[in-house]
Amino acid sequence: DGGITQSPKYLFRKEGQNVTLSCEQNLNHDAMYWYRQDPGQGLRLIYYSQIVNDFQKGDIAEGYSVSREKKESFPLTVTSAQKNPTAFYLCASNGQINEKLFFGSGTQLSVL
Amino acid sequence: EDQVTQSPEALRLQEGESSSLNCSYTVSGLRGLFWYRQDPGKGPEFLFTLYSAGEEKEKERLKATLTKKESFLHITAPKPEDSATYLCAVQASGNNRLAFGKGNQVVVIP
Repeated sequence: DGGITQSPKYLFRKEGQNVTLSCEQNLNHDAMYWYRQDPGQGLRLIYYSQIVNDFQKGDIAEGYSVSREKKESFPLTVTSAQKNPTAFYLCASNGQINEKLFFGSGTQLSVL
Repeated sequence: EDQVTQSPEALRLQEGESSSLNCSYTVSGLRGLFWYRQDPGKGPEFLFTLYSAGEEKEKERLKATLTKKESFLHITAPKPEDSATYLCAVQASGNNRLAFGKGNQVVVIP
């Protein structure tokens, strides 16, 4: 079945540590997105990529980095510069700009 | 700046008690309005896309409508399995990003 796979489901970060969240899709979608979800808040866009080897900052990119070396993969690194990383992270993709988003099952990141 | 406001934030319904969720939006030229359902600890699932005022779409007990300023998600005779958070998002013309509301948390009591 086609879809988006996020891993791990749960992740714990120590202070000063960088962690990487994985996102893989087999939908043959060009565009991929990373969102952050905090309790009681709407989804906020971190980064997005419309094509391989290209990506743009979203509304809350500070403290995060991404890469898009393959069409299928869009990993997100939460760096030590992100002082409040505890949140639910969602990866999404779509084939064209005005198409519906397909979401992964999310990664819950917590700070030890 | 595109803005999306959803109300009520939380809603408790008795099974069979129909109700409506509101999504008010401000956008410079609407390209599309999206409704998603999200269960706790999971990613959102797509429900509907609406493109122009007057448009309506239905799926089982859910019906989405759109005006120039707001969208409604009507839940008819809800069942406990309709309990979820419903997310509304808008996309502006010339913009490839969505603006999301905070969601409507719905609990249906048997």
